[in-house]
Amino acid sequence: GAVVSQHPSWVICKSGTSVKIECRSLDFQATTMFWYRQFPKQSLMLMATSNEGSKATYEQGVEKDKFLINHASLTLSTLTVTSAHPEDSSFYICSVRAGLQPQHFGDGTRLSIL
Amino acid sequence: QKEVEQNSGPLSVPEGAIASLNCTYSDRGSQSFFWYRQYSGKSPELIMSIYSNGDKEDGRFTAQLNKASQYVSLLIRDSQPSDSATYLCAVNIPSNTGNQFYFGTGTSLTVIP
Repeated sequence: GAVVSQHPSWVICKSGTSVKIECRSLDFQATTMFWYRQFPKQSLMLMATSNEGSKATYEQGVEKDKFLINHASLTLSTLTVTSAHPEDSSFYICSVRAGLQPQHFGDGTRLSIL
Repeated sequence: QKEVEQNSGPLSVPEGAIASLNCTYSDRGSQSFFWYRQYSGKSPELIMSIYSNGDKEDGRFTAQLNKASQYVSLLIRDSQPSDSATYLCAVNIPSNTGNQFYFGTGTSLTVIP
């Protein structure tokens, strides 16, 4: 069964809209969750590491004020793309893991900004 | 040097053949190794985990780990068109600040009917 639930699966919205994506760990408490972005025909790119109860750790080049991450509980992390523009259109994927275990991915959210 | 390196491909094999995917890693402290399959437009799906030297078989898939040479490979026997996807190699490296998880850029596999 699914380990990670991510929604919405697809969002189409106007430029300037803020979009929130939720990622839920279903099978275990996740102190750490990860947010990735993937453009068509490109590799997964880690955007940030979401830490429960503290600030997220962003990768170089990722604007923390643009991509707001909240990890308020051990089973839920949210990514908000603020004032989204067409260049933010991408496939956003969250993942969870515990210790040395593999990462389990959500189904991803396809974001299309018009 | 990247932590995990894969040949991006594309790799093409005929249906029924063995597809061989290779991955090398740089950190000898790496302890866990994984293969993910990603279909176009979908998120990665874990297909194999391997933690110790040698071979691990699961159905048509065999993962091979050689820590001395720092490589991990995935063999797909009797390849099917449905195996056409991008295969991501990943390693988990323990550290004082927590486990670090690295992905390769993926190898694109096409199985030709």
